Amino acid sequence: KAGVTQTPRYLIKTRGQQVTLSCSPISGHRSVSWYQQTPGQGLQFLFEYFSETQRNKGNFPGRFSGRQFSNSRSEMNVSTLELGDSALYLCASRWGETGELFFGEGSRLTVL
Amino acid sequence: QQQVKQSPQSLIVQKGGISIINCAYENTAFDYFPWYQQFPGKGPALLIAIRPDVSEKKEGRFTISFNKSAKQFSLHIMDSQPGDSATYFCAASRDGNNRKLIWGLGTSLAVNP
Repeated sequence: KAGVTQTPRYLIKTRGQQVTLSCSPISGHRSVSWYQQTPGQGLQFLFEYFSETQRNKGNFPGRFSGRQFSNSRSEMNVSTLELGDSALYLCASRWGETGELFFGEGSRLTVL
Repeated sequence: QQQVKQSPQSLIVQKGGISIINCAYENTAFDYFPWYQQFPGKGPALLIAIRPDVSEKKEGRFTISFNKSAKQFSLHIMDSQPGDSATYFCAASRDGNNRKLIWGLGTSLAVNP
């Protein structure tokens, strides 16, 4: 059974640009969560989607948005990139609204 | 506002020693306490989890100890091995719909051979 797949794995952007990250969850999983990981700040929760509906949202500005498609695949978008957005963005999936989270290997974003 | 406080931030242990990582929480409604392990270049993976109806849970060399009155829980790694070198995250959540995990900031563990 394939794990959580995130694309792209690495990307470099400049300030002011926007970026879209993609996440394919484990087959059958309906919940997808997104996290930002930076040194010293741990895992910061961005949002969670379940059956195409946003169920939870973290404390991030509106520049961070996401969506989930009918096949449970999810994308997150960051507009007007800032230097501080440089981070590892992790996607996690799970079957329902509770239970073990299965993480992908992340998309490492560098903003210059 | 950090609802789950994890310590230490980093830890160095000799091979064969015991690694201990502690977490303290504030919300007494929390009822699920997992630990995740993250190796460099990988996403976190569930290591072990506990609910407050038990004071201890053991899986191999990994043990969670839970103290409900003190609102603390800890991860003990017995006979630590270099392969245990990773970042460990504790987390907590409360029951109900849309369960949202509150994470500690992580502990970087290095086990020297």
